[in-house]
Amino acid sequence: EVQLLESGGGLVQPGGSLRLSCAASGFTFSNYAMTWVRQAPGKGLEWVSTIGGSGGRVYYADSVKGRFTISRDNSKNTLYLQMTRLRAEDTAIFYCAKVPDGDNFYFDYWGQGTLVTVSS
Amino acid sequence: EIVMTQSPATLSVSPGERATLSCRASQSVSSNLAWYQQKPGQVPRLLIYGASTRATGIPARFSGSGSGTEFTLTISSLQSEDFAVYYCQQYDNWPTFGQGTRLEIK
Repeated sequence: EVQLLESGGGLVQPGGSLRLSCAASGFTFSNYAMTWVRQAPGKGLEWVSTIGGSGGRVYYADSVKGRFTISRDNSKNTLYLQMTRLRAEDTAIFYCAKVPDGDNFYFDYWGQGTLVTVSS
Repeated sequence: EIVMTQSPATLSVSPGERATLSCRASQSVSSNLAWYQQKPGQVPRLLIYGASTRATGIPARFSGSGSGTEFTLTISSLQSEDFAVYYCQQYDNWPTFGQGTRLEIK
């Protein structure tokens, strides 16, 4: 059974940093691209970033480019999102999700999410 | 950025009836279109990918159609568990989601 478990969310001041983690199990982690998607409270879904299976290819939404860094440790089956220079508009639930099909970035399994609140 | 526009914003349908949800892309996305269902307090669930292929375990009452810029999600006979918010998402370019359609009980 595929399981994705995010952690690392919390309250952070504007301009601060936070690192999210997503522990994966139930599939061969290194074979799949992984993604972060966020959802502001009461709002819709926004793609944030995707990383290829080997970690060599990374992609970012314009809204986070230069501030967020996606990475993965395939030996630990874990996905990360390092977030810096956080803004109030980054407040959201952050979900990690699995990309089932190569370069087709749709998402078949989602974690339960971790809440990031940016506020002073 | 490809903008995805869903309509209507809210759809009221009685159980047992058919629901038709629409999604329009600002430019062609070929068949690179997925649909998700999200219930309150739950994570999104993949329903459809490739515009018309049901994901694993999705009941046959869910069907997707369309290509290019116009897409439709049809739920043939609504069950109580189908009332939720539905999102379309294109993956022809960097992924973008529609704003969602809330399907509510009439």
